[in-house]
Amino acid sequence: GPKVLQIPSHQIIDMGQMVTLNCDPVSNHLYFYWYKQILGQQMEFLVNFYNGKVMEKSKLFKDQFSVERPDGSYFTLKIQPTALEDSAVYFCASSLVNQDTQYFGPGTRLLVL
Amino acid sequence: AQSVTQPDARVTVSEGASLQLRCKYSYSATPYLFWYVQYPRQGLQLLLKYYSGDPVVQGVNSFEAEFSKSNSSFHLQKASVHWSDSAVYFCAQLYQGGRALIFGTGTTVSVSP
Repeated sequence: GPKVLQIPSHQIIDMGQMVTLNCDPVSNHLYFYWYKQILGQQMEFLVNFYNGKVMEKSKLFKDQFSVERPDGSYFTLKIQPTALEDSAVYFCASSLVNQDTQYFGPGTRLLVL
Repeated sequence: AQSVTQPDARVTVSEGASLQLRCKYSYSATPYLFWYVQYPRQGLQLLLKYYSGDPVVQGVNSFEAEFSKSNSSFHLQKASVHWSDSAVYFCAQLYQGGRALIFGTGTTVSVSP
């Protein structure tokens, strides 16, 4: 099936530093998403991005978070500054149209020390 | 608030036995419903989805699910499991007009030889 790639697979960072998580979505998809999964808990929606804009975000999407997809390149999630509670696995997803099946990447495991 | 409930955190079945994973959703109208599977260190893979119509939905790898509006349920079933079915299974809903998938807490399935 369609593949979503995420880079890096793991990231360890000191609290307060900036981190950028990269997502290579399915090539013709137009809608992009980030989800967060803390160890042992369910996956939770962070943000949805379309046509260069954030369409919807949850309360987990703090002011320190930002997303962008410059010129059709990677869809990125930036956290600046990071906090200990940001440690989690972050999953990127994409869909062709709104309300359609979302295809997920393998996740980036972020550890904030 | 909308939620998805998967009451069984872990299920152990013998190879060749049948499997049923339970899922209940909370939404006044009929949401879009999904079952995803997550293998270790991989992203979520779609097993099947329900939007409308026939309440029994066929998916990949001989999985099927049955939607019940009266019970607000979307249970996943497989007639005969294989050891490769060992994974974590997530039920998710997408309310009409929404963009965020709402996930259950997942059921870990272990298939014993």
